[in-house]
Amino acid sequence: AQSVSQHNHHVILSEAASLELGCNYSYGGTVNLFWYVQYPGQHLQLLLKYFSGDPLVKGIKGFEAEFIKSKFSFNLRKPSVQWSDTAEYFCAVRSNDYKLSFGAGTTVTVRA
Amino acid sequence: DAGVTQSPTHLIKTRGQQVTLRCSPKSGHDTVSWYQQALGQGPQFIFQYYEEEERQRGNFPDRFSGHQFPNYSSELNVNALLLGDSALYLCASTQGVRGETQYFGPGTRLLVL
Repeated sequence: AQSVSQHNHHVILSEAASLELGCNYSYGGTVNLFWYVQYPGQHLQLLLKYFSGDPLVKGIKGFEAEFIKSKFSFNLRKPSVQWSDTAEYFCAVRSNDYKLSFGAGTTVTVRA
Repeated sequence: DAGVTQSPTHLIKTRGQQVTLRCSPKSGHDTVSWYQQALGQGPQFIFQYYEEEERQRGNFPDRFSGHQFPNYSSELNVNALLLGDSALYLCASTQGVRGETQYFGPGTRLLVL
């Protein structure tokens, strides 16, 4: 079974700072990769996904993620965060059994 | 376009009791998955229903069971509740088992005392 590891439990940064959240997974086969976000009081929403093709994926709200197959990584980035990016971010992996496995999540706090 | 809905939003039970949670999938979706999200953790896959049958199951005991109805809505049942069952229970839907993206509902927060 696959597992997903998110490097940071809690990240605190100021507005306009750059954000990078790490995600590594353990599965040797073909995977589909996702980043979900959960804003305070809201349900999980899809930020972006990678299935195939260009390993640099662009999502909503200025987020992007890069799939590096050799490193089993799918890190999330945003060049300049806003206060409204305060949320919990989850990396998820789906292997060929179509089950979705989530990391433990990273809480991002953006200070105005 | 109605999204995924879940009921109730909150629930308090005592150890040993049984609970039923409900989910209606997003319009046009026919596959429902259930997840348990403990405090401070990511969602953990419980099981998936398609065509009224359980298609996939995660590492959860038989106390966790489910059902899918002809209108694609689903129920999650948990018997003999334990304190450790306290969590946010999430429902997600897709179009088909292989659907690319799962859409999540707001969840039901269960507290077992």
